[in-house]
Amino acid sequence: EAGVVQSPRYKIIEKKQPVAFWCNPISGHNTLYWYLQNLGQGPELLIRYENEEAVDDSQLPKDRFSAERLKGVDSTLKIQPAELGDSAVYLCASSPSGPSNQPQHFGDGTRLSIL
Amino acid sequence: QKEVEQNSGPLSVPEGAIASLNCTYSDRGSQSFFWYRQYSGKSPELIMSIYSNGDKEDGRFTAQLNKASQYVSLLIRDSQPSDSATYLCAVTTTGNQFYFGTGTSLTVIP
Repeated sequence: EAGVVQSPRYKIIEKKQPVAFWCNPISGHNTLYWYLQNLGQGPELLIRYENEEAVDDSQLPKDRFSAERLKGVDSTLKIQPAELGDSAVYLCASSPSGPSNQPQHFGDGTRLSIL
Repeated sequence: QKEVEQNSGPLSVPEGAIASLNCTYSDRGSQSFFWYRQYSGKSPELIMSIYSNGDKEDGRFTAQLNKASQYVSLLIRDSQPSDSATYLCAVTTTGNQFYFGTGTSLTVIP
């Protein structure tokens, strides 16, 4: 079984530039999560999708962050414009269904550095 | 008050000892509890899940859940240097929201 695939692994951009991250979940997994993880902290949920629907985006800074999951499979997370404080690791995870009793499988993450 | 709280450590134990990691949560109605391990520079990987009060054992790992005290723990027996990592506690709340703790850093000293 192929795991969760994320790209790119690393991204360095200047502040105020746009950036996008891509995630391909495990085949058959309906639920997809985007997390932000700062050094020394646990992952913080940005958005959760059930199929194509964003069912929890309460922690997504909607003024600069956006996400989409077309056709309920792959997902893209975008930041525009990026700020210095956005430097972090962005993790994508998937599970067969919602978080109630389904463990999540994580991708390798995208490490974003803002100059 | 954070949804999930952990002692950030660092926790150091000698090789072969028992490592005890603790976690508390604020939503009394939470039903699902998970322990993830995260090596430096890597993504989290699931170690254990537990849903009922009591103990659940898997090899050298034992998860313990006490819903009355809103407390979940992870014991690692016969600790090995390869167990050195950050251990993340995660909880699904009654609102079907999912929260991670900040993690406890464990170092097993050879």
